[in-house]
Amino acid sequence: GENVEQHPSTLSVQEGDSAVIKCTYSDSASNYFPWYKQELGKGPQLIIDIRSNVGEKKDQRIAVTLNKTAKHFSLHITETQPEDSAVYFCAASPGTASKLTFGTGTRLQVTL
Amino acid sequence: NAGVTQTPKFRVLKTGQSMTLLCAQDMNHEYMYWYRQDPGMGLRLIHYSVGEGTTAKGEVPDGYNVSRLKKQNFLLGLESAAPSQTSVYFCASSRMRAATEAFFGQGTRLTVV
Repeated sequence: GENVEQHPSTLSVQEGDSAVIKCTYSDSASNYFPWYKQELGKGPQLIIDIRSNVGEKKDQRIAVTLNKTAKHFSLHITETQPEDSAVYFCAASPGTASKLTFGTGTRLQVTL
Repeated sequence: NAGVTQTPKFRVLKTGQSMTLLCAQDMNHEYMYWYRQDPGMGLRLIHYSVGEGTTAKGEVPDGYNVSRLKKQNFLLGLESAAPSQTSVYFCASSRMRAATEAFFGQGTRLTVV
């Protein structure tokens, strides 16, 4: 089955700096890669996703890049703000919703 | 629009007790899921349902049962709780079979003593 590894497990950045979280996956059949943000006491919420026919996708301050050859994808957050502090999960799927495998999460802390 | 609602939010059980977690969604989604979240292990799929009256096993189904008698509800049962089932449980739903956005509830924190 699919194995998704996520690094780092914790990340601390100063407000205004950029943050990068990296994930690798093992199943070459995976073609859907979402990123979820989980705030304290809440359920995960989708913030951005990318499909295998696209190499990069941006949405305001967040962007995701995908390298299918190397089987890795990354989340980039620019101009970080205190409200970006949360746990971020990457995930991979071969296209079926029931086959979504999550990474172990990255706790991002944005300090003033 | 409430989205996905889980009941209860917190529960403490003694070993061997049983309980049912309720998930309700008001988005008319076909697919529903139960995950457990443990420190350092991300989210792992317990069971899922592709429609009313159907259920299927996920990655970690042992010790749990589920039912989907109505499209909007997905129940997770623990027949004989064990300390290893101490976790945070999340219900989610999605619109279609193809991988797309999943909407999560706020979670149920379960402690088995």
